[in-house]
Amino acid sequence: AQTVTQSQPEMSVQEAETVTLSCTYDTSESDYYLFWYKQPPSRQMILVIRQEAYKQQNATENRFSVNFQKAAKSFSLKISDSQLGDAAMYFCASTYNNNDMRFGAGTRLTVKP
Amino acid sequence: EAGVAQSPRYKIIEKRQSVAFWCNPISGHATLYWYQQILGQGPKLLIQFQNNGVVDDSQLPKDRFSAERLKGVDSTLKIQPAKLEDSAVYLCASSLNWDRRIYGYTFGSGTRLTVV
Repeated sequence: AQTVTQSQPEMSVQEAETVTLSCTYDTSESDYYLFWYKQPPSRQMILVIRQEAYKQQNATENRFSVNFQKAAKSFSLKISDSQLGDAAMYFCASTYNNNDMRFGAGTRLTVKP
Repeated sequence: EAGVAQSPRYKIIEKRQSVAFWCNPISGHATLYWYQQILGQGPKLLIQFQNNGVVDDSQLPKDRFSAERLKGVDSTLKIQPAKLEDSAVYLCASSLNWDRRIYGYTFGSGTRLTVV
């Protein structure tokens, strides 16, 4: 069984600064995928970034990057140059094979102007 | 391309009443999911369809919840009778069968259900 844990219920960052959101997971599978989703007040879950477990290189999408530590089963999200529009709930998720995607409990990010 | 459409956006009902939610996935997406997201928690899978067949409904409370996907396109999720603890956002998502691991899922904006 997969479990995903986000230990930070809330985080806050000053506009233009950098923030890191933590996520740990537990799986016995060797081939799995990890994701970060953003959920703004509109409620629609938006894919931010994904990482294949077999890839050593950390994924990057513009201002968003991950620190994937496979041995430690850690998958943190770094947001650089934070913008007001980044304020949202962020969910870490994992899936393997064709199975269900498991989500963490989420981290609420506040961006201060 | 059009996104995943869901309706209604909000619904308030009394306990023991029934309610239905509707989802129209992205055209061509074979796989459809219903998730329940209770306030303060991450989404939890209720049911997964592949075309019009059920792949996984292990977490669906079958005594009160039911879902169908006729013709492998639109889907409806029904709750009858509703309980207070069913208050949540119900999210629908879809994916092409082969790319769910690469691109994740495409989600709709959900239906916020309040049971009073």
